[in-house]
Amino acid sequence: AQSVAQPEDQVNVAEGNPLTVKCTYSVSGNPYLFWYVQYPNRGLQFLLKYITGDNLVKGSYGFEAEFNKSQTSFHLKKPSALVSDSALYFCAVRDALGGGNKLTFGTGTQLKVEL
Amino acid sequence: DSGVTQTPKHLITATGQRVTLRCSPRSGDLSVYWYQQSLDQGLQFLIQYYNGEERAKGNILERFSAQQFPDLHSELNLSSLELGDSALYFCASSVGGREYGYTFGSGTRLTVV
Repeated sequence: AQSVAQPEDQVNVAEGNPLTVKCTYSVSGNPYLFWYVQYPNRGLQFLLKYITGDNLVKGSYGFEAEFNKSQTSFHLKKPSALVSDSALYFCAVRDALGGGNKLTFGTGTQLKVEL
Repeated sequence: DSGVTQTPKHLITATGQRVTLRCSPRSGDLSVYWYQQSLDQGLQFLIQYYNGEERAKGNILERFSAQQFPDLHSELNLSSLELGDSALYFCASSVGGREYGYTFGSGTRLTVV
């Protein structure tokens, strides 16, 4: 089965500093990778996706992600963190095995941006 | 507003009861997905429907069932509820292709007491 792993339960960063939220994937075939963000008591919001093409993908709210095939990684980055970026971040992979077209999510990483 | 509507937002019910959660997908989206989010299990895929037909099944208990109606709204039925069923239940919709992401609703928080 396709899967993603988020090795960090929590990431702390100071406002204005760059942030990275890590994700590694395990897929057979070409990976379709996604990042979502969840604010408290809200649904998940789409940030960005990698389907094919450039390894650096730009998304919403100034976020970007770097696809690295050799390291099977898809890390989420932002050059300058904001306190308002504090939220729960999920990496996901498209999984079409067994029929259907679902997204399989990682366990999530809590990002805390402090003043 | 994401365009995906879930009702009710909150539900408190007793063990052994049955509840129905409703989801209206974003206009134009044919696929509906149901997920359960709990602290210990994370986001678990339950089931997918595409244009009225079941397409994929995940970790959905036999006590749970779902359907998608001709107008594309979907309902998730949970019966013989147990304390462990307390969770956030999300519905998401998409156009249907592999390259498309989901649009999530704001969820239904189910509390079983």
